[in-house]
Amino acid sequence: DTEVTQTPKHLVMGMTNKKSLKCEQHMGHRAMYWYKQKAKKPPELMFVYSYEKLSINESVPSRFSPECPNSSLLNLHLHALQPEDSALYLCASSQDNQAGKLFFGSGTQLSVL
Amino acid sequence: GENVEQHPSTLSVQEGDSAVIKCTYSDSASNYFPWYKQELGKRPQLIIDIRSNVGEKKDQRIAVTLNKTAKHFSLHITETQPEDSAVYFCAATDNFNKFYFGSGTKLNVKP
Repeated sequence: DTEVTQTPKHLVMGMTNKKSLKCEQHMGHRAMYWYKQKAKKPPELMFVYSYEKLSINESVPSRFSPECPNSSLLNLHLHALQPEDSALYLCASSQDNQAGKLFFGSGTQLSVL
Repeated sequence: GENVEQHPSTLSVQEGDSAVIKCTYSDSASNYFPWYKQELGKRPQLIIDIRSNVGEKKDQRIAVTLNKTAKHFSLHITETQPEDSAVYFCAATDNFNKFYFGSGTKLNVKP
C-alpha cells in the first residue's frame, strides 16, 4: 500500500463551523505533514509530526489544530476559519527524519464561505 | 532558512522536443532534491529525486542533474508528450523534515 488517503475530498464550511480533515497512511512512515496549497502556488508547510509528536509548527493560526492519534492517522481540526483559508489541504508522509521521499495524499479542497 | 528558486515559470515546447527546468538553492546543508509533477486538481506526485552524493540520475525520459558546488539542480525531460503537460515543482531539504519548494513551472507540450 503506497497510498496516503485523505477525507473528505471536498468541504464547504461557514466561518462559524467546526470540521475536521482526516489523513491515513499504512506505509509505516513515521513523519506526517499538513500542507496548504493555493492555486498556482507551491505547497506551504503547516505542521510536521515526527514519531507522533508535533515537531514543526510554521506559526499557523490557532484556528487550525492538528492531532496525531497514532502513527497511521493525522487529523486537522478547523474552527472559525476565514474565507482566505480556502485552499487545497494536502497531507503527506515520509519514512522518518532522514530526508525520505515525501508522498502526498489527494487533498481536501476547502471552501470557506 | 533555505531558499529555492525555480525557472522558468512557464515553458512551452513542441511534442518530441526536450524540456529543461532549473532550480537553485541557498543552504549547503540541503542533501535531498525531489521533483514533483502536479496535474490540474491532483496531488503532487514524486517523479524523480536525487541525493547530494550523486551527480545525475535517469529514469526513462526523465533525468535530474545536481551541481553541489554551484547549488543548482535541473530536471530534463526528453521526447516530451502531451501527457507531460503539468506544473512541476522542485524541492530541497536537509534531514529535518522541512521541504522547501520552488515556485513551480507550468509545462505545456503542444501536439
